[in-house]
Order: sequence, then C-alpha cells, then structure tokens
Amino acid sequence: AQSVTQLGSHVSVSEGALVLLRCNYSSSVPPYLFWYVQYPNQGLQLLLKYTTGATLVKGINGFEAEFKKSETSFHLTKPSAHMSDAAEYFCAVITNTGNQFYFGTGTSLTVIP
Amino acid sequence: DAGITQSPRHKVTETGTPVTLRCHQTENHRYMYWYRQDPGHGLRLIHYSYGVKDTDKGEVSDGYSVSRSKTEDFLLTLESATSSQTSVYFCAITPGTSRSTDTQYFGPGTRLTVL
Repeated sequence: AQSVTQLGSHVSVSEGALVLLRCNYSSSVPPYLFWYVQYPNQGLQLLLKYTTGATLVKGINGFEAEFKKSETSFHLTKPSAHMSDAAEYFCAVITNTGNQFYFGTGTSLTVIP
Repeated sequence: DAGITQSPRHKVTETGTPVTLRCHQTENHRYMYWYRQDPGHGLRLIHYSYGVKDTDKGEVSDGYSVSRSKTEDFLLTLESATSSQTSVYFCAITPGTSRSTDTQYFGPGTRLTVL
C-alpha cells in the first residue's frame, strides 16, 4: 500500500525566505509523485509532478521538488517566498500500476510580510 | 481548467435526507473521481469511475454510492446524510483516455453541511 506523510501541518516563512515543505512517501514499487496547491475556497491545482527521468522537477510559480529514492522523499522548495504563495499544499503519490491517488494531510503555508 | 463543473457549490441539508452531488465534464475524459476533504485528513477517495457504468470503491466509500450513465456526468449520492458527511467534496478527472496514473485535475468543490 502507498502512503504519504507531510511533516508540519503549518509552516510560516518571511517574504523572500526559502520555502521548504516536506513530503515522504511509502511505496513498494516506483511511485509517481505530485504536489498540488489549494488557494482558499478553490480546488487543487497541479504544481509539479515526477514520473520518470530527471529527479529534479520544476513546476509553476518558481517551485521545484527533488525525488530522492534513498530517502523516500519529494520535498517542495522555492528560493524566495512571495505573499501570493500563501496556500495549502498537498503531496500525493500513485504507483505506475495503481489506480488510486493517496494524498498527504496538507501543509498550510503562511508568508509573513 | 479541465472543463469540470460541480453542482451545487453549497448545500445545507438535514440528517437522514438523501443528497446528490453532480460532477460534469465537457471533454470526454474517461476517468472521474470523487474525494472528500476534511481538516487533518487531506483528500480521501470515495469512489471513482473508469467508464460509463464502470465504477469502483475508494478508501471511504461507506454511506456513498455513485452512478455514471453517460461519460460527462458522475453523480455522488448520500442515501441518508449524516453529520459525519459534512465536508467539502471534490470531483477530479484524468485527462483523455489515459491510464489512471496520469495527473488528476480538480473541480471547484461542493461544500456540504449536514445538520
């Protein structure tokens, strides 16, 4: 079975500071990994995804994530936080033979001016 | 925007009443999903569909049923709503006819309150 753990349900950073949101997954077979962002009262939007190939994945709005198989991690980073980055972020996993996404419990990002 | 609409967007109902939520898509996607979102739980899959009249259960399917009589509509029914079903419900699709491991795109959500 697959599962996702997001460490830290709430993260606060100052505007301009590094954003680091942590995601660890559990999967017995190679995973496909996703980060989604949710703004208040909206649905989820895809930020980026890893399926195969290059382990450093770049997404929208300056975000990127690195797949580290040895650490079973897929942490999301952004070099410089912007006020507009304040939102809830979800990590998700699915295997290449699976038919169900598994989502983490989410991390709420606050950006302090 | 994957052409997904959900209706209603907000609903308040009473315990014991039936409720049907509708997900509508305009682009002939094969795979459709219903999730619920609750604080501290993230999104959890209720049911999904891989074609007309082809559906399967997710991890939190108890108390819910679904139907898909045509490609564009995926209905979620709460036969007898309970307060524990108060939640925000999201519909999602996987584009085209690709395998279900592809990216999922989400609708705007329906906020359901069961009193």
